[in-house]
Amino acid sequence: DGGITQSPKYLFRKEGQNVTLSCEQNLNHDAMYWYRQDPGQGLRLIYYSQIVNDFQKGDIAEGYSVSREKKESFPLTVTSAQKNPTAFYLCASSIGPPQRGYTFGSGTRLTVV
Amino acid sequence: AQSVTQLDSQVPVFEEAPVELRCNYSSSVSVYLFWYVQYPNQGLQLLLKYLSGSTLVKGINGFEAEFNKSQTSFHLRKPSVHISDTAEYFCAVSDQDGATNKLIFGTGTLLAVQP
Repeated sequence: DGGITQSPKYLFRKEGQNVTLSCEQNLNHDAMYWYRQDPGQGLRLIYYSQIVNDFQKGDIAEGYSVSREKKESFPLTVTSAQKNPTAFYLCASSIGPPQRGYTFGSGTRLTVV
Repeated sequence: AQSVTQLDSQVPVFEEAPVELRCNYSSSVSVYLFWYVQYPNQGLQLLLKYLSGSTLVKGINGFEAEFNKSQTSFHLRKPSVHISDTAEYFCAVSDQDGATNKLIFGTGTLLAVQP
């Protein structure tokens, strides 16, 4: 079955370290997205990519970086510049037209220790 | 730019009672509207969507939503809830920027079903 795989499900990071969250999809979707979820704040867009080798900043891109070298993969790096990285991170993909909506991964919970 | 308001952060309800989760969006231009459900520590799952046509949309798990253009609302309803419906529900609207396919999400409503 096609879907989106996020790994790992839980991740612990020491302050000052960079960490990379994986997102892989086998849906042949063109667009991919990263959201951050905090209690009471809903989903906030970090980065998105509509095509390979291209991506755009979302609303809260500071302290994060991404790459899109393959259609199937859209990894997110949380850098040491991100002041409050503890959160639940969700990856999503879409086939293109807005009426299709998104397919979501199961998320990665990042905790800074 | 589009925005979405979910008026209730939490809705407690007894099992088998009806429920309505409210959602309003900012623009009256043509939009696509979605409701997603999130169970604890999981991703979001599509419940239903409105694209065009009939204003009453039926989704999975017995949920339905009504699109009201004049009130810019898209409220979610279920006539009789179960304990298993306990989850967070997100309303979303498509950004009408033709160059992207971004969805704008509300802050979510936690539906807490009590026995």
